[in-house]
Amino acid sequence: GAGVSQSPRYKVTKRGQDVALRCDPISGHVSLYWYRQALGQGPEFLTYFNYEAQQDKSGLPNDRFSAERPEGSISTLTIQRTEQRDSAMYRCASSSRDQRSWRYNEQFFGPGTRLTVL
Amino acid sequence: GQNIDQPTEMTATEGAIVQINCTYQTSGFNGLFWYQQHAGEAPTFLSYNVLDGLEEKGRFSSFLSRSKGYSYLLLKELQMKDSASYLCAVRNTDKLIFGTGTRLQVFP
Repeated sequence: GAGVSQSPRYKVTKRGQDVALRCDPISGHVSLYWYRQALGQGPEFLTYFNYEAQQDKSGLPNDRFSAERPEGSISTLTIQRTEQRDSAMYRCASSSRDQRSWRYNEQFFGPGTRLTVL
Repeated sequence: GQNIDQPTEMTATEGAIVQINCTYQTSGFNGLFWYQQHAGEAPTFLSYNVLDGLEEKGRFSSFLSRSKGYSYLLLKELQMKDSASYLCAVRNTDKLIFGTGTRLQVFP
């Protein structure tokens, strides 16, 4: 079946512009997570949703970052007034939370969106 | 605070065994994951420990000691395709807190 998909795969923007990054989770997955990954580092948690409810946004760096998942499926991460320090790989992950499987915690990662702010 | 430590780089020879250590100090703990990440690709799940002890899956095993805040990933019969970064991650409620990853290079 289809995995997690993200679009665009690459985004180059100018400082000050707004960007919207999209994540399409695995069908039926309840939980959706956003991470940011710098080169040579592990993913850094940003925020996550169960269904359409945002459960934790403690990792969002500042109020220029926001995320939504209005229908409990596709999610959008929006960065307003981008800055050069926002340049990174943004990864989305989803998980099923089906506790019948011992791997119910497993998060499946998407290919990421490489954001470059000039 | 949250602190997860792993060695930055390791090297090993094809066919050998390598152990990648991870120590953690986190405000909450609901399990520990190991992920593999090849260069330019997404992380993929390797193992999950929530109770103390050893979990074995083919060539890969993972160990957890919650009292010591310690885990290791053991890779046996190394193959060239095992060259990748290995990420230790602590589950805190539902979010994952990752270490910086250990880049493993396997030489023939």
